[in-house]
Amino acid sequence: EAAVTQSPRNKVAVTGGKVTLSCNQTNNHNNMYWYRQDTGHGLRLIHYSYGAGSTEKGDIPDGYKASRPSQENFSLILELATPSQTSVYFCASGSRDLSQNTLYFGAGTRLSVL
Amino acid sequence: AQRVTQVQPTGSSQWGEEVTLDCSYETSEYFYRIFWYRQLFSGEMVFLIYQPSFDTQNQRSGRYSVVFQKSFKSISLVISASQPEDSGTYFCALSELITNTGKLTFGDGTVLTVKP
Repeated sequence: EAAVTQSPRNKVAVTGGKVTLSCNQTNNHNNMYWYRQDTGHGLRLIHYSYGAGSTEKGDIPDGYKASRPSQENFSLILELATPSQTSVYFCASGSRDLSQNTLYFGAGTRLSVL
Repeated sequence: AQRVTQVQPTGSSQWGEEVTLDCSYETSEYFYRIFWYRQLFSGEMVFLIYQPSFDTQNQRSGRYSVVFQKSFKSISLVISASQPEDSGTYFCALSELITNTGKLTFGDGTVLTVKP
């Protein structure tokens, strides 16, 4: 069973503080992704990675950094959190093998920046 | 640039009815895939079905099928014999194959309520 685990599940942060969201996958997938979902909207891509040591900008990367220290782990870092970054964040993993066609999502992290 | 539009913010059906959810998209690529996901009330994203652009046959998976109109850049998800457990938010998402990054571009979703 494919598994993507996010931590923490809920986070309250102060404006200007540093926030790190963590993601671990046991699927042995090369690709990992960070999305955010705002109320009433679909997911939007922040950063993604092809493998350990690589990070790429997605559609809305401003204010976020990412780190992929290993195949299994992918972190999203908010160096200076702002209230506009209050959202639900989803991590996903996916294979580069076209025969495995779907992304597997974590359960999400609800972040509130006060 | 990719764009996915789901014009129905909400939908409803009665138990046992067939439900159709619509999606349109924009892409300049020839090879792509369209995915359908359901988001449970817990927030969990569940993969339902996908349609590759190069396959003219509409895909089916259990009670889910799609109606793919490539020339119109539209695709509909059809749920047969809907059940109250099918309630949730349904997302259409586009992935371009040429780079094989696996990136998905999502629509804003349709909230489906199936009444008992």
